[in-house]
Amino acid sequence: GAVVSQHPSRVICKSGTSVKIECRSLDFQATTMFWYRQFPKQSLMLMATSNEGSKATYEQGVEKDKFLINHASLTLSTLTVTSAHPEDSSFYICSAQDGSGNTIYFGEGSWLTVV
Amino acid sequence: AQSVTQPDIHITVSEGASLELRCNYSYGATPYLFWYVQSPGQGLQLLLKYFSGDTLVQGIKGFEAEFKRSQSSFNLRKPSVHWSDAAEYFCAVGPLTGGGNKLTFGTGTQLKVEL
Repeated sequence: GAVVSQHPSRVICKSGTSVKIECRSLDFQATTMFWYRQFPKQSLMLMATSNEGSKATYEQGVEKDKFLINHASLTLSTLTVTSAHPEDSSFYICSAQDGSGNTIYFGEGSWLTVV
Repeated sequence: AQSVTQPDIHITVSEGASLELRCNYSYGATPYLFWYVQSPGQGLQLLLKYFSGDTLVQGIKGFEAEFKRSQSSFNLRKPSVHWSDAAEYFCAVGPLTGGGNKLTFGTGTQLKVEL
């Protein structure tokens, strides 16, 4: 099946700094990728839809200036958490829609800890 | 608006016993339906999906699910559970339109398997 890879899997950063998480589709081109956030023992919350070559579409309540999304190529989307604070600590998961548009594959997730 | 309900937060079954995880959805038209499994600290793995056709779909790891339009349900089943099936299971629903599908997830069901 299709593979989506995230990097890094775990990252610790200091409060006030920025951190970038990458999401790559390894064996297919993805014009659309999605970024989710998951708090412990909770479901996934969609943060934004990342569109290749255009601006991301953010869900209500998600600060677009804080969570910068760039989808520069058909296989890579990045999420940058700017001026991170401890409350941004969470599990971030990306997903990518395959070429048929029928299936969405998820990355392994990235644990962010802000200290 | 689309929504997904997973009524059971936790389920415990004995190894070798049968399993059924419930999922009810709300959507204005025929939806795409998915079941994903998440192991602790990991991303999501697609178990199976339903778009159209045969209402009983087979997935990986011996799982199957049945789409029942009249009940707005898409319950996941497995005839004989293995200890390695212990994980969090998410049901998700998405629109049929191609491109930019946004999945809505249920709150998840935590499966515990007793040896």
